[in-house]
Amino acid sequence: QKEVEQNSGPLSVPEGAIASLNCTYSDRGSQSFFWYRQYSGKSPELIMSIYSNGDKEDGRFTAQLNKASQYVSLLIRDSQPSDSATYLCAVSFVGFQKLVFGTGTRLLVSP
Amino acid sequence: DGGITQSPKYLFRKEGQNVTLSCEQNLNHDAMYWYRQDPGQGLRLIYYSQIVNDFQKGDIAEGYSVSREKKESFPLTVTSAQKNPTAFYLCASSKAAILDPYEQYFGPGTRLTVT
Repeated sequence: QKEVEQNSGPLSVPEGAIASLNCTYSDRGSQSFFWYRQYSGKSPELIMSIYSNGDKEDGRFTAQLNKASQYVSLLIRDSQPSDSATYLCAVSFVGFQKLVFGTGTRLLVSP
Repeated sequence: DGGITQSPKYLFRKEGQNVTLSCEQNLNHDAMYWYRQDPGQGLRLIYYSQIVNDFQKGDIAEGYSVSREKKESFPLTVTSAQKNPTAFYLCASSKAAILDPYEQYFGPGTRLTVT
C-alpha cells in the first residue's frame, strides 16, 4: 500500500510566524517529492519540488527531505494571511509512473 | 501563454447521462492525468496517459473512460455506470515519466454535479 500521510489540521499560526507542514510516506525508495498549495475551490498549484536529502529554499518556502526517516516538510517563513490554504504533499513511488497525494494540511494564518 | 484549460468550469447533469469533460494543454507535455477530488479528501487518480493512443487505469477508473488521440487533448467521459459522479475533476500534465514522475501542473478544474 502506497501511502502519504499528512495531518489534516487546521494548523493556525499568527502573521509573521513560521508555519511547519509535515508529510510522511511509506516507500523508502521514493525519489521525487512535491508540495502543492490549493486555495478553497481552486486547483492545486505546484510550489516546491525536492529530490535530494536536505533543504531546498525558494523565497519564503523551504522544503526539507529526510529519506532515512521517510519524512518531507515544508516551512513557510513570515507567514501571510494569503498563505492560508490547503497544502498537499505528493510522492512518487518506485516503479509507479504516477504520484500519490496526501489528503492535505489546512493552514490558517491570522492577521 | 502556456497552460492547461478545462471546460466547462461547472457542469450539471441528470443521473443516467454520460458527460464528457474537456482538457487541453499547450505545454508540449507528453503525459496527462485525470484526478477526482471529493470534499475533504485528497486527489485520486482516474486515468493517465504517457503517450498518444495509450492510457492506463488509475486507482478509481470504474465508470470512466478516456481517449488520447492528440498530444494536446485528453478528454474524460463520466458514464452512467459511475455511482457517485458528483466531484471536482482535475486534469494535469507533465513531461513523460520514464522511471519517476516529473512535476505535474493542473488545470483549473471542472466541478460536476449530477442530480
